[in-house]
Amino acid sequence: EAGVAQSPRYKIIEKRQSVAFWCNPISGHATLYWYQQILGQGPKLLIQFQNNGVVDDSQLPKDRFSAERLKGVDSTLKIQPAKLEDSAVYLCASSSGLQRSYEQYFGPGTRLTVT
Amino acid sequence: DAKTTQPTSMDCAEGRAANLPCNHSTISGNEYVYWYRQIHSQGPQYIIHGLKNNETNEMASLIITEDRKSSTLILPHATLRDTAVYYCIVRDPYGGSEKLVFGKGTKLTVNP
Repeated sequence: EAGVAQSPRYKIIEKRQSVAFWCNPISGHATLYWYQQILGQGPKLLIQFQNNGVVDDSQLPKDRFSAERLKGVDSTLKIQPAKLEDSAVYLCASSSGLQRSYEQYFGPGTRLTVT
Repeated sequence: DAKTTQPTSMDCAEGRAANLPCNHSTISGNEYVYWYRQIHSQGPQYIIHGLKNNETNEMASLIITEDRKSSTLILPHATLRDTAVYYCIVRDPYGGSEKLVFGKGTKLTVNP
């Protein structure tokens, strides 16, 4: 079974530039999550999708971050404009969404450096 | 905020059992205890979860105290590949959000 795919793996940008990350979840998984992990901390949920609808985006900085999952499969997370404090690893995860599946499967993440 | 407390770091000798403690004194009756781990430069990986009974799978064992205020993850024969950050998370999978609320976890180093 193929895992969660993310690209790019690494990205370096200057502050005030824009950046986009892509995620392809495990086939058939209805629920998709984006987490932000700052160095030395645990991941923090930014947004959760159920199919192509948003379930939880309470911690997404909506003035600069946006995310979409148009066809209920892959997803993109965008930052515009980036700030220095956005330097982090952005993790995508998916779960089947059936019977409140306890397992979330994580991708390898995208490491973003904002200079 | 995370509802669990874990030691910042622990060491273990290769081949010995690694016992990782977690305190969750405010756990509610519907909340399960989950453990994930994150190996360097990888995403977190699910290990095990439980409600009140002890659980075992091919990766680890989970021991939950009778009052459910603390638990211990046991890796019976630690290997160098078990070096990782281990996260203990409490979550109600049947009510509210499915999100995982991570703390800082325990950095386990397995030494040769």
